[in-house]
Amino acid sequence: NAGVTQTPKFQVLKTGQSMTLQCAQDMNHNSMYWYRQDPGMGLRLIYYSASEGTTDKGEVPNGYNVSRLNKREFSLRLESAAPSQTSVYFCASSPRAATFYNEQFFGPGTRLTVL
Amino acid sequence: GENVEQHPSTLSVQEGDSAVIKCTYSDSASNYFPWYKQELGKGPQLIIDIRSNVGEKKDQRIAVTLNKTAKHFSLHITETQPEDSAVYFCAANVLASGSSNTGKLIFGQGTTLQVKP
Repeated sequence: NAGVTQTPKFQVLKTGQSMTLQCAQDMNHNSMYWYRQDPGMGLRLIYYSASEGTTDKGEVPNGYNVSRLNKREFSLRLESAAPSQTSVYFCASSPRAATFYNEQFFGPGTRLTVL
Repeated sequence: GENVEQHPSTLSVQEGDSAVIKCTYSDSASNYFPWYKQELGKGPQLIIDIRSNVGEKKDQRIAVTLNKTAKHFSLHITETQPEDSAVYFCAANVLASGSSNTGKLIFGQGTTLQVKP
């Protein structure tokens, strides 16, 4: 099993450009998440999907959109990138929703720089 | 809103010493408190967790304690080794949020632990 995979690993964008970060899991998990990690701010939840067909806003959703394409895939889209979106982005998945006692499995991250 | 505060932000110890990281949470309904370890260039990985009906849990050199009254929980690492050097995150679950009425995890700011040989 590959676990949680993310593409790309690195990306540089210019202000105003758009891009989609891809995430896939092969563990048959129901729930998936997108986080961003900034120095001194820990991991902040952008959007999550408790199950296929549902998505919800997290702590910092502004400037982002998501799509739960199917049970395996959960993508994050930046429509018009801004320098404030320079960050490391992590996708995660878990067997059940975070309401329950269960581990979240993280991908290797995408390092995004917006100039 | 929901919040998890983590201290210290950096911690340096000598190999063999103990390390303690502390967190406080704001939502009194939280009932699940995991700890994640993040090595350089990798995603976080769960190392231990505790539920609200338990006051302490131990797994070899790591232990977690929970004080629900004070809304505090702590990670204790004994006999530290250089391979323990990493960033550690605490988290607490927030129940019944969003349109799907399901929960989420709120993470602390992270602690960078350096174990000096």
